[in-house]
Amino acid sequence: EIVLTQSPATLSLSPGERATLSCGASHSVSSKYLAWYQQRPGLAPRLLIYGAYSRAAGIPDRFSGSGSGTDFTLTISRLEPEDFAVYYCQQYAMSPPTFGGGTKVEI
Amino acid sequence: QVQLQESGPGLVKPSETLSLTCTVSGGSITNYYWSWIRQPPGKGLEWIGHVYYTGSTNYNSSLKSRVTISVDTSNQQFSLQVTSVTAADTAVYYCARFYFDTSAYYYDSWGQGALVTVSS
Repeated sequence: EIVLTQSPATLSLSPGERATLSCGASHSVSSKYLAWYQQRPGLAPRLLIYGAYSRAAGIPDRFSGSGSGTDFTLTISRLEPEDFAVYYCQQYAMSPPTFGGGTKVEI
Repeated sequence: QVQLQESGPGLVKPSETLSLTCTVSGGSITNYYWSWIRQPPGKGLEWIGHVYYTGSTNYNSSLKSRVTISVDTSNQQFSLQVTSVTAADTAVYYCARFYFDTSAYYYDSWGQGALVTVSS
């Protein structure tokens, strides 16, 4: 099983600031198998980024993904109030698909 | 835009069987994998398993002995059963569509989630 480790666990920032979230994999993951999701309180996860770099439909361009191998990054260039949420990375390079523990972006 | 909706009892007694159904609307259930993912209160996401529209399945080994996922294409539904539940199975259960092509694998549509509490 591939373990995904997200850091930091909590990121305290202000609107307008830049957020950088990290996702480390225990084994190398091809970019095509790496996705990022946003989960707001009380709601289901929402796909943000797939294939490590590609934004899902309707996702603003302030969200971007990068990385390869065992290190991936989600960047939010300028935080908007609605961006304060929990973010998960997820891999399906190997079964079972696994999720990272999440990074909470808080004000 | 495909929509998914979970349904089923919100309270299950210990040692009994948890049963949930996910209804798919706004798109066909064929040609996709359909998954169940759960989230214990205040915790992260755990993949339970998936079913292809043909009926073939794959389960998380951590739950495999207790889980069955099935599909009913005529009614655009797929279902989850977890036997011998304990308090550790208390979670929000999500159904989700797994999308894959030559360039990416991901969960592109999710249900709103169903909270299932295991308690006597």
